Amino acid sequence: AQKITQTQPGMFVQEKEAVTLDCTYDTSDPSYGLFWYKQPSSGEMIFLIYQGSYDQQNATEGRYSLNFQKARKSANLVISASQLGDSAMYFCAMRERIPGGTSYGKLTFGQGTILTVHP
Amino acid sequence: EAGVAQSPRYKIIEKRQSVAFWCNPISGHATLYWYQQILGQGPKLLIQFQNNGVVDDSQLPKDRFSAERLKGVDSTLKIQPAKLEDSAVYLCASSLAGTRRGTDTQYFGPGTRLTVL
Repeated sequence: AQKITQTQPGMFVQEKEAVTLDCTYDTSDPSYGLFWYKQPSSGEMIFLIYQGSYDQQNATEGRYSLNFQKARKSANLVISASQLGDSAMYFCAMRERIPGGTSYGKLTFGQGTILTVHP
Repeated sequence: EAGVAQSPRYKIIEKRQSVAFWCNPISGHATLYWYQQILGQGPKLLIQFQNNGVVDDSQLPKDRFSAERLKGVDSTLKIQPAKLEDSAVYLCASSLAGTRRGTDTQYFGPGTRLTVL
């Protein structure tokens, strides 16, 4: 089973409007972290926002917010007031504990969503 | 604060040749990761170091890939011999606390784009 699923291969949004990028995840570990990264055409992965599994409130960072619905295992990214520079690939990722232990391991990434912002 | 540095940015080689990539993490970061990102996919971990010890290399093709982090700072990833399917972007990342905290954010370098002909 896919650990991270991003069902939208591509999304389009008008400049200054809000857009939601979907992410669902699968884990049996009660302690995990969810991350969103932006990857422009230049290739660098840029950290945007983080949500911990025990966090009571949804994370926010400037124009980015994370709509965390734990029971549904979803962690959607909301970008408000879209800008042309937001056009990029967006990845959702999860970090879990290494099986059988208490240490945390790698990030597992979804397939990504390409966001295009139109003027 | 300087970010994660990687070199070279681009590399083109023939199949069966060898290649090496270098990564210098953010100063003070104990954990270093190498990810492989094939075109159109999300990155996948190749190897994770905590200081100079290996935490996870379960997905590293050890018959052709090797990596080291001798002094617990910078790291080298080598492919020998390269295959066509190794064409990808190789991303290095680092994090401060490493394996102890799930909240630990990984910061990525610009990547090395490898093309194997």
